[in-house]
Amino acid sequence: GAVVSQHPSWVICKSGTSVKIECRSLDFQATTMFWYRQFPKQSLMLMATSNEGSKATYEQGVEKDKFLINHASLTLSTLTVTSAHPEDSSFYICSAIFRGGSFNEQFFGPGTRLTVL
Amino acid sequence: GIQVEQSPPDLILQEGANSTLRCNFSDSVNNLQWFHQNPWGQLINLFYIPSGTKQNGRLSATTVATERYSLLYISSSQTTDSGVYFCAVVGNAGKSTFGDGTTLTVKP
Repeated sequence: GAVVSQHPSWVICKSGTSVKIECRSLDFQATTMFWYRQFPKQSLMLMATSNEGSKATYEQGVEKDKFLINHASLTLSTLTVTSAHPEDSSFYICSAIFRGGSFNEQFFGPGTRLTVL
Repeated sequence: GIQVEQSPPDLILQEGANSTLRCNFSDSVNNLQWFHQNPWGQLINLFYIPSGTKQNGRLSATTVATERYSLLYISSSQTTDSGVYFCAVVGNAGKSTFGDGTTLTVKP
């Protein structure tokens, strides 16, 4: 149990296009989903916290107009990178907190590798 | 926000050796987890351990919440244990913070 999926697993796009990444909790309802970004050889940096039915809370330095987060249901959150540029190339990972489970235990998706040409 | 420091940053072991990884955090937390990130980037849950001690096979972890640190023990290390180990905490405000990780290399 407690499986989180992400789609797509990798994507290559041209500069200026928008890319949508989906994060789904497959077998549980998630109260909260987190979005992270990881550059090579670095740690995971929290981008935003997403709660179902409410606006996402963005970390300092993360442009909310560039990284649009929609948490439409208790099992789905989406991250849209708008007008992507090469510096947005990174590994994007989501996690979900199991509603009713261990307090704040995170379950992670497999990540999405974005390359912007 | 909460600061999370992991040590050592890099660790090289011979197969069969034991090791201890440390995670210090700067404030009280609601959650502490240890992860192993595999070469494809997937984060593997090792322990959910906001306090106390847990064991799972050759791995065990201890968190002393009052002193704001956690330890991950790896015994009889194997080459497949190689990779990056992360400690992550969630503070009272619900924000998640990762440490910089420990890169473990186990040589045959």
